[in-house]
Amino acid sequence: TQLLEQSPQFLSIQEGENLTVYCNSSSVFSSLQWYRQEPGEGPVLLVTVVTGGEVKKLKRLTFQFGDARKDSSLHITAAQPGDTGLYLCAGAPNAGGTSYGKLTFGQGTILTVHP
Amino acid sequence: DTAVSQTPKYLVTQMGNDKSIKCEQNLGHDTMYWYKQDSKKFLKIMFSYNNKELIINETVPNRFSPKSPDKAHLNLHINSLELGDSAVYFCASSHTTPIGETQYFGPGTRLLVL
Repeated sequence: TQLLEQSPQFLSIQEGENLTVYCNSSSVFSSLQWYRQEPGEGPVLLVTVVTGGEVKKLKRLTFQFGDARKDSSLHITAAQPGDTGLYLCAGAPNAGGTSYGKLTFGQGTILTVHP
Repeated sequence: DTAVSQTPKYLVTQMGNDKSIKCEQNLGHDTMYWYKQDSKKFLKIMFSYNNKELIINETVPNRFSPKSPDKAHLNLHINSLELGDSAVYFCASSHTTPIGETQYFGPGTRLLVL
């Protein structure tokens, strides 16, 4: 069974601060996705990283996939109250062919950004 | 222009009852899923259907029975509801892209078993 350890579980910061969320596993993933979930809604995909060492930027969010494709990080610069939400990492198994979406989710990080 | 919709959004019921949750997607996707999110926000896949065929069936009590009448619909029926079934249930759908499958989630159904 592939497991994803996400940390920290809770993060409470002031507006303008930077933060990093980590997603680690002993398993190799073919791709890793980051989702954001707001209260009362379903998760929404932010980014997918596929290549080991890949870095993707989405405005103030920077996503990195580890060289060995076992871990990933999400870094937010100058956090804003609108960034508040649950952040989930999800890995797709490293198998040939389609995995039919059998994503393994991390436990999630609840981020609160105070004005 | 809703992409993935679920009904009902809230469901409060007594132990032992049978209930159904419906899901529809208008994205033209071939694959649909049911996830359960517990009180600690942990999201775990329950079932996956591809072109109406069951693909993933995780360790879920057989009181849970998914049904896919067509590619756009995946319903979840739960028999003999138990207290531990209380959770948020999310339907999702996906298409296969060269870089992995992007999943689109519905708004969730909040089930409370009393």
